[in-house]
Amino acid sequence: AQTVTQSQPEMSVQEAETVTLSCTYDTSESDYYLFWYKQPPSRQMILVIRQEAYKQQNATENRFSVNFQKAAKSFSLKISDSQLGDAAMYFCAYLRDAGNMLTFGGGTRLMVKP
Amino acid sequence: IAGITQAPTSQILAAGRRMTLRCTQDMRHNAMYWYRQDLGLGLRLIHYSNTAGTTGKGEVPDGYSVSRANTDDFPLTLASAVPSQTSVYFCASSDRAGADTQYFGPGTRLTVL
Repeated sequence: AQTVTQSQPEMSVQEAETVTLSCTYDTSESDYYLFWYKQPPSRQMILVIRQEAYKQQNATENRFSVNFQKAAKSFSLKISDSQLGDAAMYFCAYLRDAGNMLTFGGGTRLMVKP
Repeated sequence: IAGITQAPTSQILAAGRRMTLRCTQDMRHNAMYWYRQDLGLGLRLIHYSNTAGTTGKGEVPDGYSVSRANTDDFPLTLASAVPSQTSVYFCASSDRAGADTQYFGPGTRLTVL
């Protein structure tokens, strides 16, 4: 079974600074997809970024980028120029190719200090 | 475009009662899902449907049932609620199962006393 581990229960960052959230996963599959979701206090699950395992290039979305290391099974999220609105729980998630179930990590709570 | 709507927003329910959580999407997505999120944890899949007329079991299906009569609606029923079913329930959808990104509704907070 696939597992997703987020080793940082909480992180804090100063506004305008950069922070990196860690995620590792375990799988025997070669084709899969990785995601970062943001969950603010409103509890809505919001897609931040998606990475296809077959793509070597790291995904980017504006201030959000990932460092995808397939051999190491690592998928970290970098948030640049942090804003107060970035404060939320962040969940890393795994989806195997042709699968139905997203497997989530336990989450990292990000606090942004003004 | 609303995306995914869920009802009710929150509910307090007596143990043993039957409850149906509603989910509707207007994106014409083929696949739909139900997840539960327990305090401080990530989401776990309860049931899914790859297309109208088909359903499947996820990681934690016991005590829940689903139906998919049409593309847009995917209700989740608790036949006889128990306190361990206290959770936040999220409905999600994707264009197709497998490779596509899952988009989530706003969630229903359910408390079973």
